[in-house]
Amino acid sequence: TQLLEQSPQFLSIQEGENLTVYCNSSSVFSSLQWYRQEPGEGPVLLVTVVTGGEVKKLKRLTFQFGDARKDSSLHITAAQTGDTGLYLCGGATNKLIFGTGTLLAVQP
Amino acid sequence: GAVVSQHPSRVICKSGTSVKIECRSLDFQATTMFWYRQFPKQSLMLMATSNEGSKATYEQGVEKDKFLINHASLTLSTLTVTSAHPEDSSFYICSAPRNGDNEQFFGPGTRLTVL
Repeated sequence: TQLLEQSPQFLSIQEGENLTVYCNSSSVFSSLQWYRQEPGEGPVLLVTVVTGGEVKKLKRLTFQFGDARKDSSLHITAAQTGDTGLYLCGGATNKLIFGTGTLLAVQP
Repeated sequence: GAVVSQHPSRVICKSGTSVKIECRSLDFQATTMFWYRQFPKQSLMLMATSNEGSKATYEQGVEKDKFLINHASLTLSTLTVTSAHPEDSSFYICSAPRNGDNEQFFGPGTRLTVL
């Protein structure tokens, strides 16, 4: 069974701080995706990374795919209250398996 | 972007009854759809892969007789929770990849509460 471990599991920070969320697996994935989910809604895709070592930026969010395509990180610069939510990494093979999730709370 | 809908968005039922949840791809065809369940503040757990025209593939530990899946057409998959019990209360989410796409499109979810 493929397993995607995210760390930390919970994170509470002040507005303006930086943070990094990690997603690790022992398996290789053809691609890895990051999602953000708000309560009572489906997850929303933030980014897809495909190439080992790839770095993608989305405004204040920076995503990196490990060289071996087994791990990824999400870095948020100068967090805002609107960044609050559940962040999920998802590894794609013939199906999409989600990581364990990171619940982020950004306090004003 | 592509749209996936779910119906109903919320359902409350008595213990022992069966509940059907629909997942529709509104503007594209999906030969495959996926069903997830999610407990509060936890991640999404893949339950099964719904295949149009053939049997669903269930993940380890998911009872196929408990969670019946029917992929009736290229735009509709249904999940029926049979003889529901309070422990089946959860948030159920479906997703569908647009054929030829790597991206999954998620439904808005269905909140099931079993009393």
